[in-house]
Amino acid sequence: DGGITQSPKYLFRKEGQNVTLSCEQNLNHDAMYWYRQDPGQGLRLIYYSQIVNDFQKGDIAEGYSVSREKKESFPLTVTSAQKNPTAFYLCASDREGNYGYTFGSGTRLTVV
Amino acid sequence: AQSVTQLDSHVSVSEGTPVLLRCNYSSSYSPSLFWYVQHPNKGLQLLLKYTSAATLVKGINGFEAEFKKSETSFHLTKPSAHMSDAAEYFCVVSDEGGADGLTFGKGTHLIIQP
Repeated sequence: DGGITQSPKYLFRKEGQNVTLSCEQNLNHDAMYWYRQDPGQGLRLIYYSQIVNDFQKGDIAEGYSVSREKKESFPLTVTSAQKNPTAFYLCASDREGNYGYTFGSGTRLTVV
Repeated sequence: AQSVTQLDSHVSVSEGTPVLLRCNYSSSYSPSLFWYVQHPNKGLQLLLKYTSAATLVKGINGFEAEFKKSETSFHLTKPSAHMSDAAEYFCVVSDEGGADGLTFGKGTHLIIQP
């Protein structure tokens, strides 16, 4: 079955570490997105990519980085510059003109 | 600029009674509007979407929503609540069909009383 796979499901990070969250899709979607979810704040866009080798900053890109070397993959790195990284991270993808994203099951990142 | 306001952070209904989750939006263009559902520690699932076709949109699990341009609203309804409907619901707007990212409301937590 086609879908989006996020891994790991739970991730723990020490202060000052960089960590990378994986997002893989086999839907042949061109566009991929990373959102951050905090309690009571809905989802906020971190980065998005509409085509391979190109990506754009979203509303809260500071302290994050991404790459899009393959259509299927859109990993997110949470750097040490992100001061409050504890959150639930959701990856999504979309086919152009589909008007409705497919979401992964999320990664919960906790700073310890 | 686009924005969306979900008018209730929590809604509690009894099983078998109607559900109403309210959403108002602001958009510079003709918007696309969506409702997503999220069960605890899960990703989001698309319930329904409006993209300038019929104003009454039917979704999965018996949910529907009506686009009212004059009221800038897109309320979600269901005639009879089921225990499995307990979840977080997000109203979402996009000016450009989602190409540049969606704007999410803060969510409404739906509680179903037995």
